[in-house]
Amino acid sequence: EVQLVQSGAEVKKPGESLKISCKGSGDNFGSYSIVWVRQMPGKGLEWMGIIHPDDSDTTYSPSFQGQVTFSVDKSISTAFLQWNSLKASDTAIYYCARLWGPYYYGSGSYHRNFPYYYYGVDVWGQGTTVTVSS
Amino acid sequence: EIQLTQSPSFLSASVGERVTITCRASQGILSYLTWYQQKPGKAPKILIYGASTLQSGVPSRFSGSGSGTEFTLTISSLQPEDFATYYCQQLNTYPLTFGGGTQVEIK
Repeated sequence: EVQLVQSGAEVKKPGESLKISCKGSGDNFGSYSIVWVRQMPGKGLEWMGIIHPDDSDTTYSPSFQGQVTFSVDKSISTAFLQWNSLKASDTAIYYCARLWGPYYYGSGSYHRNFPYYYYGVDVWGQGTTVTVSS
Repeated sequence: EIQLTQSPSFLSASVGERVTITCRASQGILSYLTWYQQKPGKAPKILIYGASTLQSGVPSRFSGSGSGTEFTLTISSLQPEDFATYYCQQLNTYPLTFGGGTQVEIK
């Protein structure tokens, strides 16, 4: 069974940096497609982007481009989401999740370049709550 | 960026009722639409993908239909455990986008 376990809740001040983690288990982490999703307090889901752990190939949503950085350490099956300078508006729950479908999505995969070759998110982390307040 | 508009944003229904939620896309997305259910304090759960394919383990009272720009999620007979917020997501084009959500509450 594939599982994603995220790091614990964080309380930070504006301007501080932060890196949260998402550890995968139960399958070949390198073949995953990991997405990050934000949920602000009492609001809906926002897709932040996708990273492929095999080669760290990344696509950001325009709304988050330049605001956050995705990274991966394949040796420990862990994906990361990082901020260099937090704002109060970054207060939210952040989910990592696996974008899933019927194809191989590792390095060299043709299908991972096109979102319609996926079915959706089938495995979610438990979420990391980030609170930014002075 | 493809916008997804869900309606209604809130609905109140009784156990046993038939419930329909609509998701409209700002441009055609063929059948590349997925539905999720989210309960308070929990991560979302996939219900339906490809607009109409039920995810394994999801009760058959859930069904999805539609293609192009208009999609529906139907719960044929609402059960107590179905009270939650439902989201659609398009997988036609990056950036992937979600609808604003439909909160289903007990009448």
